Amino acid sequence: AQTVTQSQPEMSVQEAETVTLSCTYDTSESNYYLFWYKQPPSRQMILVIRQEAYKQQNATENRFSVNFQKAAKSFSLKISDSQLGDTAMYFCAFMKLGFGNEKLTFGTGTRLTIIP
Amino acid sequence: NAGVTQTPKFQVLKTGQSMTLQCAQDMNHNSMYWYRQDPGMGLRLIYYSASEGTTDKGEVPNGYNVSRLNKREFSLRLESAAPSQTSVYFCATSSGGSTGELFFGEGSRLTVL
Repeated sequence: AQTVTQSQPEMSVQEAETVTLSCTYDTSESNYYLFWYKQPPSRQMILVIRQEAYKQQNATENRFSVNFQKAAKSFSLKISDSQLGDTAMYFCAFMKLGFGNEKLTFGTGTRLTIIP
Repeated sequence: NAGVTQTPKFQVLKTGQSMTLQCAQDMNHNSMYWYRQDPGMGLRLIYYSASEGTTDKGEVPNGYNVSRLNKREFSLRLESAAPSQTSVYFCATSSGGSTGELFFGEGSRLTVL
C-alpha cells in the first residue's frame, strides 16, 4: 500500500514571500501521478498541480512549482509571491496508474496561512 | 455545468439512525469515489466504483454501504450511525488514467450525536 507523509502540520509566511511545503511518499510502483490539492475555507478541493512520475521535468503552474525527486520519493510544492488567497489546507496525494484502479491516497495536510 | 453535486450539505443524526448521502455527476466519468475527511487525518477512501455496476472497498469501509445506481449516481449509506462517523464526506469523480485528476463535490458535514 502507498503512504503519503506531510511532516508540516502548519506553516505561515508573509505575503509576497516564497514558501515550500514538503511531501514524501512510499511506493513500489513505477508509474504514478502526484498531486497537490488546495482546500480553502470554503471546503472545496481544488487541484493545484500534477506531476507524472515518468516525466523528469518538474511541473509548474504560474506561481506554483514542484521539486520532484523520484529516487528520494519526495514531492515538494513551492509557492512564489504568496498571496492572501493562498491561505488554505494543502494536501499532497498519490495515484497509482491502472485502468479502473485510479485511487487517490492523501497525506494529512499542511495548513498554510499567508500573513498580510 | 454542475459538475459533482452532493446532498445533503449538512445533517445531524442520532446514534443508530440511518441515512444516505447522494452524489450525482454530469461529467460522464466512469470512476466515482467516497472519501471522509477528519482533522489531522487528511482524506481517506471509503468506497469507490470504477464503472457502473462495480464497487470496491477503500481504506475505511466499515459501517458504510454504497450503491452505483447508474453512471451518474453513487450513494453512500450509513445503516446505523455511530459518533465515530461524524465527519465531512466528499464525493469525487475521475475520467480515468489519462490525467488522473479527481473532481470533488462540495462536501457534506455529518454529525452523529
